[in-house]
Amino acid sequence: GQNIDQPTEMTATEGAIVQINCTYQTSGFNGLFWYQQHAGEAPTFLSYNVLDGLEEKGRFSSFLSRSKGYSYLLLKELQMKDSASYLCAVFSGGYNKLIFGAGTRLAVHP
Amino acid sequence: GAVVSQHPSRVICKSGTSVKIECRSLDFQATTMFWYRQFPKQSLMLMATSNEGSKATYEQGVEKDKFLINHASLTLSTLTVTSAHPEDSSFYICSARAGGGYTEAFFGQGTRLTVV
Repeated sequence: GQNIDQPTEMTATEGAIVQINCTYQTSGFNGLFWYQQHAGEAPTFLSYNVLDGLEEKGRFSSFLSRSKGYSYLLLKELQMKDSASYLCAVFSGGYNKLIFGAGTRLAVHP
Repeated sequence: GAVVSQHPSRVICKSGTSVKIECRSLDFQATTMFWYRQFPKQSLMLMATSNEGSKATYEQGVEKDKFLINHASLTLSTLTVTSAHPEDSSFYICSARAGGGYTEAFFGQGTRLTVV
């Protein structure tokens, strides 16, 4: 079956660093996405990993280990506006299934 | 990034009626579109995947006769919720991607459906 696990909630302090983990078990793998979603809005793209390693993009970095079925999203220099849900999603079954994890609600406080 | 337009953004309908939601890719050809529903404080649940010109592939537990999906062109897919019930009230989101291996999936703005 398909399974994508993320922590439900996390809290962090403004200016700090936070790491959001995602583990997956899917039938086939064609890449992993991270999306940010604010309440009542559609998700917005943050990153895509298909090969092992770290992808850095400004304050956000994403890491993938295919052998471990594991990814993390790293957010640096946290800002209040980073308070949102972060969704891990996997392309499986070719490119015809984009499956989402339950999402991690991140609260950034002063 | 590319633009996906979803319409309407909000709709209220009476029980027993049908509602159509449109999803358009404005500046690219979407060979694949995904339809999701999302309940409050929950993640996106994939309902179905549609490829242009072919029948949609529905996820287990999703009634294909209730949630009609049409992907008649490379820029338009529609989801029709038939005989709507209050429990169908949810946030429906479409996502579109171009073909040819990996490409990012772009999301529409979502449709808040309330059935009264």
